[in-house]
Amino acid sequence: QTVVTQEPSFSVSPGETVTLTCGLSSGSVSTSSYPSWYQQTPGQAPRTLIYSTNIRSSGVPDRFSGSILGNKAALTITGAQADDECDYYCMLYMGGGIWMFGGGTKLTVL
Amino acid sequence: QVQVVESGGGVVQPGGSLRLSCEASGFTFINYAMHWVRQAPGKGLEWVAHVKTDGNVKWYADSVKGRFTISRDNSKNTVYLQLNSLRVEDSAVYYCAKDGGNWNIDHWGQGTLVTVSS
Repeated sequence: QTVVTQEPSFSVSPGETVTLTCGLSSGSVSTSSYPSWYQQTPGQAPRTLIYSTNIRSSGVPDRFSGSILGNKAALTITGAQADDECDYYCMLYMGGGIWMFGGGTKLTVL
Repeated sequence: QVQVVESGGGVVQPGGSLRLSCEASGFTFINYAMHWVRQAPGKGLEWVAHVKTDGNVKWYADSVKGRFTISRDNSKNTVYLQLNSLRVEDSAVYYCAKDGGNWNIDHWGQGTLVTVSS
């Protein structure tokens, strides 16, 4: 069973740039996986940040960007801010009508 | 603006059933597929089910296949999730979500809590 992989946790200093990744336990992520990224603060519903690899959802600041890096999807936050500290999830379309989320990355800004 | 509002959560015993509803507004409901996603306490997001615009094509995660049924009533702008043969591990916040048309989710509801416990 293929699993979507994400770093369980990541730390970044305020103002620095951080890149979170989203891979597959078997195989490569490509644009055909239509990777999307979601942000979730504790106790709240997720918020859509990026879809179709690199398209920002409405209202999302341009310091959030998506890409494919090697065989993974990537979410880059340029100039991290304190309120970026939360959980980030990627979702991939696996084909055959199945989507899968990664386990999420808990981002700490300190 | 786009809104999706879930209802129907509650406490149910193992083996029991529950029907979740999700009323949508602010967009042309019949033009968009819909998803259900769940999140167990302290855990990550898990995609559960998807229904296409006409309600005839439905897809499920392996963990719920054969037990859960997704459906929609386009005349009521509502999508449903019927949960049968519930297990303790089905306890979670269930989110209704609008498909963005690019194999993604673009809007989320606030979720409804399902607790399976004896």
